[in-house]
Amino acid sequence: EPEVTQTPSHQVTQMGQEVILRCVPISNHLYFYWYRQILGQKVEFLVSFYNNEISEKSEIFDDQFSVERPDGSNFTLKIRSTKLEDSAMYFCASQKGGGEIEQFFGPGTRLTVL
Amino acid sequence: DAKTTQPNSMESNEEEPVHLPCNHSTISGTDYIHWYRQLPSQGPEYVIHGLTSNVNNRMASLAIAEDRKSSTLILHRATLRDAAVYYCILSRLNNAGNMLTFGGGTRLMVKP
Repeated sequence: EPEVTQTPSHQVTQMGQEVILRCVPISNHLYFYWYRQILGQKVEFLVSFYNNEISEKSEIFDDQFSVERPDGSNFTLKIRSTKLEDSAMYFCASQKGGGEIEQFFGPGTRLTVL
Repeated sequence: DAKTTQPNSMESNEEEPVHLPCNHSTISGTDYIHWYRQLPSQGPEYVIHGLTSNVNNRMASLAIAEDRKSSTLILHRATLRDAAVYYCILSRLNNAGNMLTFGGGTRLMVKP
């Protein structure tokens, strides 16, 4: 069964450094999402992406964040200058569209900012 | 987004049915009711969704009240693998996709 994959599974970085989290959505899906979950807290929506542009974003998704679909298969989340409070699990999800509303989530990347 | 209210936790015995309630009294006519679950140390997983009618799939059943102000996720025979946090989420569909707003969910514990 097709699945969403994410790399790396765990990323450790120093405060102020840039990180790129990578996701490979399911191949025929059209909608892509990033969510995050700080340890012990709720899953929070960050951004949705459709037709090569951001379609919705939350207040969390400020100028430090950006998303890209560089090559038609990967979907990346970049954090330009990481802060301690960016430490969280980051989940990528994809959705087929066309009336199929189920979102398929990846296993997540644990980001630790020191 | 309309809010949902779920019990913080529930317990069930293995092999027995589980009814997970969700209140959504401010639901609008275009809101879909989604259920996702999150097993320990994993990403959320889709369970089921519905709009007005009851729905069944291989994982669960969704019973939606006639006024749509509440719904119940039914696991017909709980297994130890069903121990997870279950989220009831309302979401409107549009061309932008459907952003999911997760609440605290219900932590389901399954006893052998």
